[in-house]
Amino acid sequence: DGGITQSPKYLFRKEGQNVTLSCEQNLNHDAMYWYRQDPGQGLRLIYYSQIVNDFQKGDIAEGYSVSREKKESFPLTVTSAQKNPTAFYLCASSIGTGRYGYTFGSGTRLTVV
Amino acid sequence: GQQVMQIPQYQHVQEGEDFTTYCNSSTTLSNIQWYKQRPGGHPVFLIQLVKSGEVKKQKRLTFQFGEAKKNSSLHITATQTTDVGTYFCAGPTSYDKVIFGPGTSLSVIP
Repeated sequence: DGGITQSPKYLFRKEGQNVTLSCEQNLNHDAMYWYRQDPGQGLRLIYYSQIVNDFQKGDIAEGYSVSREKKESFPLTVTSAQKNPTAFYLCASSIGTGRYGYTFGSGTRLTVV
Repeated sequence: GQQVMQIPQYQHVQEGEDFTTYCNSSTTLSNIQWYKQRPGGHPVFLIQLVKSGEVKKQKRLTFQFGEAKKNSSLHITATQTTDVGTYFCAGPTSYDKVIFGPGTSLSVIP
């Protein structure tokens, strides 16, 4: 079955550590996105990528970094510069620019301890 | 910048009652998308509306796109406990991504 796989499902990090969240898709979608969701809140865009080796900052990119070396993969690194990293992180992909809808992964819940 | 708003933020209904959430954009949209996120889950694409005044139905769910293509609504008839979750609308920006509304959280009391 085609879809998006995010791992791990739950992640605990000590303050001051960088951590990388994995996102892999086998839908052959060109575009991939990272969103952050805080409890009871909507979706805030962190980074997005339309093609391999290219990506753009979203609305809340500070303290995060990404890479897009392969079409299938779009990992997100939460750096120690992110002041409040505890959140639910969602990866999504789409055909083209998302005008036809997004497919989301099941998410990673990051907790800083 | 472009904004997408939704009302209400929360809605509690008795099972069997109807439910409606409204979505409003600050700019004209080429299309509107609706997603559902179950508690603890991830958003799932429900539908896309493209034409002005378009109405689409999925069983008990009715989706409308306004004539001016700046607003939309989702109506659920006779809610069930399986309808619990947060409903998001989303519309494409003039560039290369989609902007999501803040969502309406629906609770259904059995």
